[in-house]
Amino acid sequence: DIQMTQSPSTLSASVGDRVTITCRASQSIRSWLAWYQQKPGKAPRLLISEASSLESGVPSRFSGGGSGTEFTLTISSLQPDDFATYYCQQYHIYPGTFGQGTKVEIK
Amino acid sequence: QLQLQESGPGLVKPSETLSLTCTVSGDSISSSGHYWGWIRQSPGKGLEWIGSIYYSGSTYYNPSLKSRVTISVDTSKNQFYLRLSSVTAADTAVYYCARHGEQQVVKHWGQGTLVTVSS
Repeated sequence: DIQMTQSPSTLSASVGDRVTITCRASQSIRSWLAWYQQKPGKAPRLLISEASSLESGVPSRFSGGGSGTEFTLTISSLQPDDFATYYCQQYHIYPGTFGQGTKVEIK
Repeated sequence: QLQLQESGPGLVKPSETLSLTCTVSGDSISSSGHYWGWIRQSPGKGLEWIGSIYYSGSTYYNPSLKSRVTISVDTSKNQFYLRLSSVTAADTAVYYCARHGEQQVVKHWGQGTLVTVSS
């Protein structure tokens, strides 16, 4: 399996901050990477696919970048609704594998 | 509007078989290009893909679970199913059913159901 490693595991930030989460793959996955947001007790919500393609209805303050083995998710101005856990997922090679998650907490 | 709903026992004894049903509404499970999958989430292993099925019956299983997993579909009921045999405490997790395309990007998830393995 391809291993996905996210950093940091926890991020403390304030409303209005710009935050960046990094995801690294154990081998090249080209641009076959998705980002999800998950809130407690809820299923994950797809934010971004193909590394940088924003899903319909996702605020434009979210953006994704990268290719190969290193990827980022950036929230340009953190909003109260954004405090959640974020996961990356590769879907280049079956089975799709997820990072361990990054929890974005209120500072 | 597509909805997926998991159902099944919330408690399973060690060594027994976990069985879950996913009921699909708002779309036909026979619709072309859509795959129906199971994903689980546990504190220890995080999010883990279990496997997927196409309406034709073609299946794809995570090699790490393949020996214990069976996913099946009943198009007449618009449902698909998960069976996981010989469960242990390590199989305790929230189990999600999901729909994805040819690529394993999940836009549609069920709400999830907690299954605890304990005697």
